[in-house]
Amino acid sequence: NAGVMQNPRHLVRRRGQEARLRCSPMKGHSHVYWYRQLPEEGLKFMVYLQKENIIDESGMPKERFSAEFPKEGPSILRIQQVVRGDSAAYFCASSPGTGGGKGDNEQFFGPGTRLTVL
Amino acid sequence: KQEVTQIPAALSVPEGENLVLNCSFTDSAIYNLQWFRQDPGKGLTSLLLIQSSQREQTSGRLNASLDKSSGRSTLYIAASQPGDSATYLCAVITSSGTYKYIFGTGTRLKVLA
Repeated sequence: NAGVMQNPRHLVRRRGQEARLRCSPMKGHSHVYWYRQLPEEGLKFMVYLQKENIIDESGMPKERFSAEFPKEGPSILRIQQVVRGDSAAYFCASSPGTGGGKGDNEQFFGPGTRLTVL
Repeated sequence: KQEVTQIPAALSVPEGENLVLNCSFTDSAIYNLQWFRQDPGKGLTSLLLIQSSQREQTSGRLNASLDKSSGRSTLYIAASQPGDSATYLCAVITSSGTYKYIFGTGTRLKVLA
């Protein structure tokens, strides 16, 4: 059972370009979370999605950032018109669900995508 | 609003020492607490997960305890080795809301050979 997959692992963009980060959850997981780790800072929650639904986007910047988790395919975190301050590691995590069973809420993290904005 | 603090921010110890890393949180209504390890430029490796009904978890040389009432968790590392050098992160999942993880800023550990 493959773990959470993220691609690309490294992404370089110039200011003003768009960045698309992909996350494939573990098999059988229907919940996806995105976190951002700015240089020398801790990980911060950005958004929580289930298939075709955004459940909690309280950590997403109001502009330029969007996320989706379509019925088929990976979850996408999209950053439009990137700026240098967007340079960070972006981690995706998945979980089976939010039931009451043991481990339902444990999140499994991908290796991250390191975005560098020139 | 849940806040997670880790002390110390950095720690340097000689090989073989037993050490304790601390994590405190402001809202005791948590669902889980989890300890991770992060190597420089790498992803997260899960070490131990403690559910709110548990007091501790053990794995090899690692032992994590949880005291919800005081808002504290400790990660105990026995007989430290240079390979333990990494940043250790604790994260809590609050029992209200959407089960997102709230991370501390980490303790950067260096074990000297």
